Amino acid sequence: GAVVSQHPSWVICKSGTSVKIECRSLDFQATTMFWYRQFPKQSLMLMATSNEGSKATYEQGVEKDKFLINHASLTLSTLTVTSAHPEDSSFYICSARGGQGAGQPQHFGDGTRLSIL
Amino acid sequence: KQEVTQIPAALSVPEGENLVLNCSFTDSAIYNLQWFRQDPGKGLTSLLLIQSSQREQTSGRLNASLDKSSGRSTLYIAASQPGDSATYLCAVLPLGAGGTSYGKLTFGQGTILTVHP
Repeated sequence: GAVVSQHPSWVICKSGTSVKIECRSLDFQATTMFWYRQFPKQSLMLMATSNEGSKATYEQGVEKDKFLINHASLTLSTLTVTSAHPEDSSFYICSARGGQGAGQPQHFGDGTRLSIL
Repeated sequence: KQEVTQIPAALSVPEGENLVLNCSFTDSAIYNLQWFRQDPGKGLTSLLLIQSSQREQTSGRLNASLDKSSGRSTLYIAASQPGDSATYLCAVLPLGAGGTSYGKLTFGQGTILTVHP
């Protein structure tokens, strides 16, 4: 149980392109979803927290106009990297949490490797 | 600000050895602590979750302990196998106002484990 699917797993695109990454909770309702970024050999850095039906809360230093997050349903959140540039190349991972308690475990997707040429 | 440190950064052991991974955190006001496994190019798999009121959790060959007052956790892996090779991440969920949590995990940098046959 508690499966989170992330799509695509790998994307390569040209500079200036916008890229959308999907995060789906397959067998539970995710009231909250988190988006992380991970650079090579580094740990996960939280980018933003999204609650279903409301605007995402971004961490300090994360450009909300650059990284658009939509959490329109209890099973789907999307991250759109707008006008992507090579410095946006990274590994992006989402996680989803069900229930109402913030202490509920987060379940992670398999990540998306984004490479901007 | 909560900081999580993992030692060692990398560890290479022969198959069959018992080993200990260490995690320390600067603020003892935590809701829970989690150990994750990350395979190369993949997302995170939750291994063990220890609530702040607990001292340890066990799952198969894995045992995690928590000493909240000293800000430390250890992950003990018994009889290591080549399939245990991965990066192991420790993450704490800080305690927020009123004894609840905001749900934002803070991760350590991870320990890269290699178990050779």
